[in-house]
Amino acid sequence: DSGVTQTPKHLITATGQRVTLRCSPRSGDLSVYWYQQSLDQGLQFLIQYYNGEERAKGNILERFSAQQFPDLHSELNLSSLELGDSALYFCASSGTITGELFFGEGSRLTVL
Amino acid sequence: AQTVTQSQPEMSVQEAETVTLSCTYDTSESDYYLFWYKQPPSRQMILVIRQEAYKQQNATENRFSVNFQKAAKSFSLKISDSQLGDAAMYFCASGPAGAQKLVFGQGTRLTINP
Repeated sequence: DSGVTQTPKHLITATGQRVTLRCSPRSGDLSVYWYQQSLDQGLQFLIQYYNGEERAKGNILERFSAQQFPDLHSELNLSSLELGDSALYFCASSGTITGELFFGEGSRLTVL
Repeated sequence: AQTVTQSQPEMSVQEAETVTLSCTYDTSESDYYLFWYKQPPSRQMILVIRQEAYKQQNATENRFSVNFQKAAKSFSLKISDSQLGDAAMYFCASGPAGAQKLVFGQGTRLTINP
């Protein structure tokens, strides 16, 4: 158990819909990262938050947005969903200088 | 920009044998870290081993060890006495010090033959 909690684990929705993925980081970790993993692909960095502020942005679509709340949990919002958005979305947290990321179990999104 | 390249999409090894997975990276950071993560069929991302770039000594964790060649920007993972439970996707990753994002390679799928 990494200590990072993601909900929901599975989500099936239709094109054009909007979903919210939730992440609670490890206790004490200030940084939260979101990654997307399409089928049999590597992990693509989407966005990082540090103590409530956006710190780094990757190839995140304009239809996607995220935020980190005062209690440090984070939400990733995906809107106007397309078939190609089907993927495993990972949240990870980090609190050490060594840069090690601790991953949640992921949220598997299927867009039909 | 950081890049991480894994040139072996798939590898296979006989149980109890040794296998080496390759990784090269490029970074402009002076202080950085390198990682190998394992992703079994459950899809959970599990840290296998970590290497601090400022350390010359190669990291080891039980049956897992790395060959870190800083000048060549190479970071390979050696798995000794391979076990069936080692079957997974293995991802190499690189990131600067200070709780910043990691860049991942495309992964190597490792199959263990009984």
